[in-house]
Amino acid sequence: EAGVAQSPRYKIIEKRQSVAFWCNPISGHATLYWYQQILGQGPKLLIQFQNNGVVDDSQLPKDRFSAERLKGVDSTLKIQPAKLEDSAVYLCASSLIPGLAIRPYEQYFGPGTRLTVT
Amino acid sequence: QKEVEQNSGPLSVPEGAIASLNCTYSDRVSQSFFWYRQYSGKSPELIMSIYSNGDKEDGRFTAQLNKASQYVSLLIRDSQPSDSATYLCAVSTGAGGTSYGKLTFGQGTILTVHP
Repeated sequence: EAGVAQSPRYKIIEKRQSVAFWCNPISGHATLYWYQQILGQGPKLLIQFQNNGVVDDSQLPKDRFSAERLKGVDSTLKIQPAKLEDSAVYLCASSLIPGLAIRPYEQYFGPGTRLTVT
Repeated sequence: QKEVEQNSGPLSVPEGAIASLNCTYSDRVSQSFFWYRQYSGKSPELIMSIYSNGDKEDGRFTAQLNKASQYVSLLIRDSQPSDSATYLCAVSTGAGGTSYGKLTFGQGTILTVHP
């Protein structure tokens, strides 16, 4: 079974530029998550989709971050304009729909995109 | 108070010893608990999940959950140098509202197993 795919793996941009990340979840996983992991910290949830609807975006800085999940499969996360403090690893994870599986809340992570803002 | 707090590291143990990693959480309605292993420069990898009080064993790993004390731990028996990584505790409140399946992570504990 293929895992969660993400691209690009690395990105370096200057502040005030824009950047976009792509994620393809595990086949059949209806729930998709974007996390931000700053060096030395645990991942922090930015946004959660169930199919193509947003379930939780309470910690997404909506003035500069946006995300979409068209057709309930792939997702993109965009930052515009980027700030120095956005330097982090952006992780995408997916899981089965809670309640419809034996282990409903197990999330599986992609390799991440390391963003450096200079 | 942090929502999920892990014992501060780094933790260093000799090869073959038992490594004990601890985690406390603040939300009493939490239902699902996970341990992830993260090697340097890699993404988190799920190694254990536990949903009910007591112990759950999987190979050299044992997860322990005590909901009354809001405490979850991970024991690694016969520690190997390949176990050297950051271990992340994650907690989910489960179903309900906007936190459906949302994971809250601790800051991680760095484990080093030396030969």
